[in-house]
Amino acid sequence: KQEVTQIPAALSVPEGENLVLNCSFTDSAIYNLQWFRQDPGKGLTSLLLIQSSQREQTSGRLNASLDKSSGRSTLYIAASQPGDSATYLCAVYIGGSEKLVFGKGTKLTVNP
Amino acid sequence: KAGVTQTPRYLIKTRGQQVTLSCSPISGHRSVSWYQQTPGQGLQFLFEYFSETQRNKGNFPGRFSGRQFSNSRSEMNVSTLELGDSALYLCASSPPGGGQGYEQYFGPGTRLTVT
Repeated sequence: KQEVTQIPAALSVPEGENLVLNCSFTDSAIYNLQWFRQDPGKGLTSLLLIQSSQREQTSGRLNASLDKSSGRSTLYIAASQPGDSATYLCAVYIGGSEKLVFGKGTKLTVNP
Repeated sequence: KAGVTQTPRYLIKTRGQQVTLSCSPISGHRSVSWYQQTPGQGLQFLFEYFSETQRNKGNFPGRFSGRQFSNSRSEMNVSTLELGDSALYLCASSPPGGGQGYEQYFGPGTRLTVT
């Protein structure tokens, strides 16, 4: 059974800091990995999708890496801003089924 | 292009009642998935539909059911509501064909409160 873990559960940083969010998964047989952002009481916004054949993806100040062999992904946020405050969720797409398995998320607070 | 829409956005029901939630996917998307989000369990997969057929189902009781129409719109139904069904229900759509790890696009969710 695929399990996804995100560490830390919560993170508070001052504005301008670079930070890394971690995601680990137990089964390396994944099709892809997707990072999402969720604001309180809202739906999920897709940030980055990394296909299983890729090692990383970049979008603006965000960079996500994927190491299938070690079952790890990281989301790097450069020059953090208060508007980045949200919960960040990592999800893996399981081969052979049509579903995402989610981690519990990392709640990020960026202080002005 | 309009995003995934869900109606209603908020619902309050009492135990024992039933409820129907609706999801309209992004135009052209044929795969629709449903997820339940609670503080304790996080996001859990309910089921996925493609071309009006359920392709996969999560580990939820039979009180949770769904369907998909020919225009790809989907509904999920929860019968005999329990307090533990209080949650944010999220719908996601993915491009034609779905599967194989296509990017998922989520709607704003329906907040269901059972009293």
